[in-house]
Amino acid sequence: AQKVTQAQTEISVVEKEDVTLDCVYETRDTTYYLFWYKQPPSGELVFLIRRNSFDEQNEISGRYSWNFQKSTSSFNFTITASQVVDSAVYFCALSGPNYGGSQGNLIFGKGTKLSVKP
Amino acid sequence: NAGVMQNPRHLVRRRGQEARLRCSPMKGHSHVYWYRQLPEEGLKFMVYLQKENIIDESGMPKERFSAEFPKEGPSILRIQQVVRGDSAAYFCASSLFRDGSEQYFGPGTRLTVT
Repeated sequence: AQKVTQAQTEISVVEKEDVTLDCVYETRDTTYYLFWYKQPPSGELVFLIRRNSFDEQNEISGRYSWNFQKSTSSFNFTITASQVVDSAVYFCALSGPNYGGSQGNLIFGKGTKLSVKP
Repeated sequence: NAGVMQNPRHLVRRRGQEARLRCSPMKGHSHVYWYRQLPEEGLKFMVYLQKENIIDESGMPKERFSAEFPKEGPSILRIQQVVRGDSAAYFCASSLFRDGSEQYFGPGTRLTVT
């Protein structure tokens, strides 16, 4: 069975601090995809990144970076020099290949609520 | 380049009424997914549709819930005889391909059952 665990329910930091959001996943598939989404207080879901299981290169996009490690089944998300606008709930998600019972739907973790205080 | 559109954004229904939620995918996207976000439960997959076909409805309650994605027009999630437990945010997402490609979400419909 596929599962995503975000052990950190809430994190509070002060502006300009770096913060890492943890994501651990479980799957028996050899091909799978990992995602991060941001849900700001306004409620919409914003796509941040997608990685496939064959690409373990870390990725950096501005202040955001992602560390994918298959050996530990983790896909962690780091925000450098956090800002108040980063305050949101962040969801990690997993999907499998489109065969058998897996149709590409996303399996979400329960989310980590990040509060960045000025 | 419009994103995924959902309407209404907020919907209030009395117990026993019907709720109809609409979703227009991004232009060129033919894959639509519906998710429900219940308080304290996170986001859960409900149903996956392509034009005129339900591909996977394994996450949708067997009774009172139905979904469609007709050849023309938006995808519809229909909840009959709503109960208080149906109060939630319902999100629609669309993707270009089926192979685990990015799913782009609409703003959601907040359903409140009184």
